[in-house]
Amino acid sequence: DAGITQSPRHKVTETGTPVTLRCHQTENHRYMYWYRQDPGHGLRLIHYSYGVKDTDKGEVSDGYSVSRSKTEDFLLTLESATSSQTSVYFCAIRSLDRGGTEAFFGQGTRLTVV
Amino acid sequence: DAKTTQPNSMESNEEEPVHLPCNHSTISGTDYIHWYRQLPSQGPEYVIHGLTSNVNNRMASLAIAEDRKSSTLILHRATLRDAAVYYCITAGAGSYQLTFGKGTKLSVIP
Repeated sequence: DAGITQSPRHKVTETGTPVTLRCHQTENHRYMYWYRQDPGHGLRLIHYSYGVKDTDKGEVSDGYSVSRSKTEDFLLTLESATSSQTSVYFCAIRSLDRGGTEAFFGQGTRLTVV
Repeated sequence: DAKTTQPNSMESNEEEPVHLPCNHSTISGTDYIHWYRQLPSQGPEYVIHGLTSNVNNRMASLAIAEDRKSSTLILHRATLRDAAVYYCITAGAGSYQLTFGKGTKLSVIP
């Protein structure tokens, strides 16, 4: 199994508070991704990273920021959590950004904003 | 990346083969076909991928039509552990993201 660890696995937070989710990999893969999964929407890309300090937005990036100061860690921050950000968040990694390269996913973080 | 079409759900009896279809009629010549599956309460799991030729691995086989407009994921003997949502995805060169649709929910009947 690919070495991806997401933390925390579950979190309940209050509206308006900042929240940071962590994705840690031991594979030394260059590309890292944050997705959210909601009923009826499937997986949607929030942000991705193509190297240390190199990140870009995905299709649902509003309200989220990311940072990657080390190859192995990709952090997702909700600056001021809202109820619409209640979701399951998945981190993924890929060694190359090419069509023939598979992605490996973490186990997910279930975030509830009350 | 090309849009894919899959049936919403399928059923299979345990220990029988399962053929999961996927249409990707707008696929380009350099797009790979990927399959992932997601078991309940888990993250998506890579199953198999291919470009033109049929592919086999320990989990499944991938049969790709000659015109590449469709493909079929084959589970040779379904087990209860294969009950999951199966996603068919196309991914081209420089595709920074994998776009997941709603997939096919496979139920395995004991």
